[in-house]
Amino acid sequence: KNEVEQSPQNLTAQEGEFITINCSYSVGISALHWLQQHPGGGIVSLFMLSSGKKKHGRLIATINIQEKHSSLHITASHPRDSAVYICAVPYMSRPTDKLIFGTGTRLQVFP
Amino acid sequence: KAGVTQTPRYLIKTRGQQVTLSCSPISGHRSVSWYQQTPGQGLQFLFEYFSETQRNKGNFPGRFSGRQFSNSRSEMNVSTLELGDSALYLCASSAGPGQGNTEAFFGQGTRLTVV
Repeated sequence: KNEVEQSPQNLTAQEGEFITINCSYSVGISALHWLQQHPGGGIVSLFMLSSGKKKHGRLIATINIQEKHSSLHITASHPRDSAVYICAVPYMSRPTDKLIFGTGTRLQVFP
Repeated sequence: KAGVTQTPRYLIKTRGQQVTLSCSPISGHRSVSWYQQTPGQGLQFLFEYFSETQRNKGNFPGRFSGRQFSNSRSEMNVSTLELGDSALYLCASSAGPGQGNTEAFFGQGTRLTVV
């Protein structure tokens, strides 16, 4: 079993729809990262959160530490949101910035 | 503030050759991590450097090596290239020293194709 699981693996939506991507992890963490990867390959850090909720524009990330679960929501989705969304957690056996990644959720938003 | 810069962006090499990839972190960041991304394995950790010291190493063969310079720039080297080394190589920088709760900033990656 992977230490970080994401669902769904693939997601298609019509422009304007509300999107939810889920991430579950099995290890203790200090923070969880949500990342976005466009077809060109570069990765952008969207959020890093250790509790509660964070909002940036149309993106909202929540985390429940007790349940070891996080969600990324996109409100009023747009075709430019089409990308792979990846959650990642730090490897905690010793001080490190090493991240363990989920397999990603490929989102396609159609006009 | 300039972002993380990786060079080159694209590279084609033949089997048996060696390759060196470069990563310049965000100014002031001292921690650099390298990752390999392939369609089959996803993103996998290669190495992590902080203040010129390798702090952590992933489960890759000895053909994969790296180093960090005093200006925090990092290089990774792959010797005796194999077809399976074809991948997107990403580096990430953070302020460090990491406790897992510092934000990571990624470069655009170097896409290596081995033929």
